[in-house]
Amino acid sequence: GESVGLHLPTLSVQEGDNSIINCAYSNSASDYFIWYKQESGKGPQFIIDIRSNMDKRQGQRVTVLLNKTVKHLSLQIAATQPGDSAVYFCAERSRDDKIIFGKGTRLHILP
Amino acid sequence: DGGITQSPKYLFRKEGQNVTLSCEQNLNHDAMYWYRQDPGQGLRLIYYSQIVNDFQKGDIAEGYSVSREKKESFPLTVTSAQKNPTAFYLCASSIAAYNSPLHFGNGTRLTVT
Repeated sequence: GESVGLHLPTLSVQEGDNSIINCAYSNSASDYFIWYKQESGKGPQFIIDIRSNMDKRQGQRVTVLLNKTVKHLSLQIAATQPGDSAVYFCAERSRDDKIIFGKGTRLHILP
Repeated sequence: DGGITQSPKYLFRKEGQNVTLSCEQNLNHDAMYWYRQDPGQGLRLIYYSQIVNDFQKGDIAEGYSVSREKKESFPLTVTSAQKNPTAFYLCASSIAAYNSPLHFGNGTRLTVT
């Protein structure tokens, strides 16, 4: 598989617990934020997005929180399952279409 | 089933050879992108195209070339001038709006020896 997860911070979570993955973004002009999930050997998969005029958005088992004051984004996954094991990374996009990707966090599920 | 198709999944080349990576999308997206992913690093933009017959250099364009003759297709050529070509290459597409996500293909792993 693809070794994109090497040297990344790792979050280990017990199966069934909630996971919280954090991201600090860099561009004050960023207006739109996205979370991606990347499994080994595959391309990033869109999970959820949020616009800067919101501070919270919920999807199926996932919630994204945005704190513009401290330029912080988090992804919460409820009732973590073995299939959630992957690298998660955030992306920020500004109105002038500058897109910046975070380096990612590896989520490891403990049985 | 709409999506982005990258081929091949694995590619092996000898040093000094040019190689072309394929990317096709049937999402009717105007914008297409090529990224390079190396272990422990964020995605780095190689080239992008917002419309047919037009494209712009990204942050690490040296040693790469692209074409955009059709809306659906955005092939990337890794030339012999690229000093460190071994990497995982990702193609993405998006509608032409800043508040829309990029959709990615499943990548091509290029190994140059």
